[in-house]
This record gives sequence, C-alpha cells and structure tokens, in this order.
Amino acid sequence: GGIITQTPKFLIGQEGQKLTLKCQQNFNHDTMYWYRQDSGKGLRLIYYSITENDLQKGDLSEGYDASREKKSSFSLTVTSAQKNEMAVFLCASSIAGANTEVFFGKGTRLTVV
Amino acid sequence: QQQVRQSPQSLTVWEGETAILNCSYENSAFDYFPWYQQFPGEGPALLISILSVSDKKEDGRFTIFFNKREKKLSLHIADSQPGDSATYFCAARRAGNTGKLIFGLGTTLQVQP
Repeated sequence: GGIITQTPKFLIGQEGQKLTLKCQQNFNHDTMYWYRQDSGKGLRLIYYSITENDLQKGDLSEGYDASREKKSSFSLTVTSAQKNEMAVFLCASSIAGANTEVFFGKGTRLTVV
Repeated sequence: QQQVRQSPQSLTVWEGETAILNCSYENSAFDYFPWYQQFPGEGPALLISILSVSDKKEDGRFTIFFNKREKKLSLHIADSQPGDSATYFCAARRAGNTGKLIFGLGTTLQVQP
C-alpha cells in the first residue's frame, strides 16, 4: 500500500497572502489532483496533472497555481488568500487510465484571518 | 449547475436497518460511478463502484443499484452499524476522461445504536 502526505495539516494565512500547500505520494501514481472541499459543497477539482511537468485546469482553477515538480509531488499555491477561502484542500492520486481508484490524502485545512 | 445530485442531505437509521442513499446525474456520457466514504478529519476513501454496463454491484453489506435509463443510482447499506456513520459521496466520470471525478454534495449518515 501507499500513502498520500499533505503538509501542513493546518494553515492560517492573512488576507492577500500567497500560500503554498504540498503533497507527496509514494504509490508511484502518474496522475495527481487537488480538490477543494467546502462545507455543504462537496469536492471541486482545482488542478490535476497526468504526468511530471503536466498541468490541467479543473473547474475551480482561478486564484490558484499548481506545480508538478516530480512524479511523487504536487503543490498548490493560493495566489492571494481571500476572506472566504476557508476550506479543506484535498490532494489525491491515481494510476493512469479510466475507471481507476482515486486515493485521497487527509487534507490541509486553510483558515484566512 | 450540480451535475451529480444526492439525497437525502442527511439520514438517520437504527442499527441493523438498511440505509438507502440516492444519487442522480445529468450527463449520459458518465459511465463510472464510485461511492466514497468520509469520516471527520479524514480524506474520502473508495467504498464501492459500478460501471454503467451493470445494474447492480455488491460488496458485503454494500450494494449499488443502477438505472441507466433514469440516470439514477442508489447505495444500500444493509445491517447498518454505528461505525458506518460517515458522509457518503456519489461521484461520476465520463468515459475516457482520466481522473476527472464529479462529486455530489454528499449524504451524512448517522446510525443510532
């Protein structure tokens, strides 16, 4: 088995600040994802990457940047934290191909003060 | 517009009863439907999934019933246990669309002992 490690677990930022969330996976998966989870709004895809140095926008990419530095790591940057940016950011990964299981990390909980 | 809808938003059953969680979708191109289980403070984890070529999938106490014509599916949890208390997400993916899962808003299940 493998594991997805997200750091930090909790992140407190100030309005307007640039904030970076990190994710590492040891499944050796090709595809990695960032989802945002808001209370009562389910999970929404921000960015995903099908291989190292690849980036694809999801439905919620505005206000975020992402970077896939190597196969095992995928980082997400909030370019300018907003007061309503209080959510859980979930990193996930899967092998390439359709109908494959997507594995999730435990999340980074972001609070903007 | 929510492409994947779940009902009810919350559900309480007694231990030993069957819990029924409903899901419907808009896009007839969706062909893969996983259900994820999420406990507080954890990331979602795959519980059971079904492909649109099937009308039923069983795994222990968990069964998915799928109606392609009506674009509806349901998750039945037989002999519900207090440990099943969690939030359940129905998700969907288009054929050949690697990775891009579309999630519903979730159903929070409480199993009373």
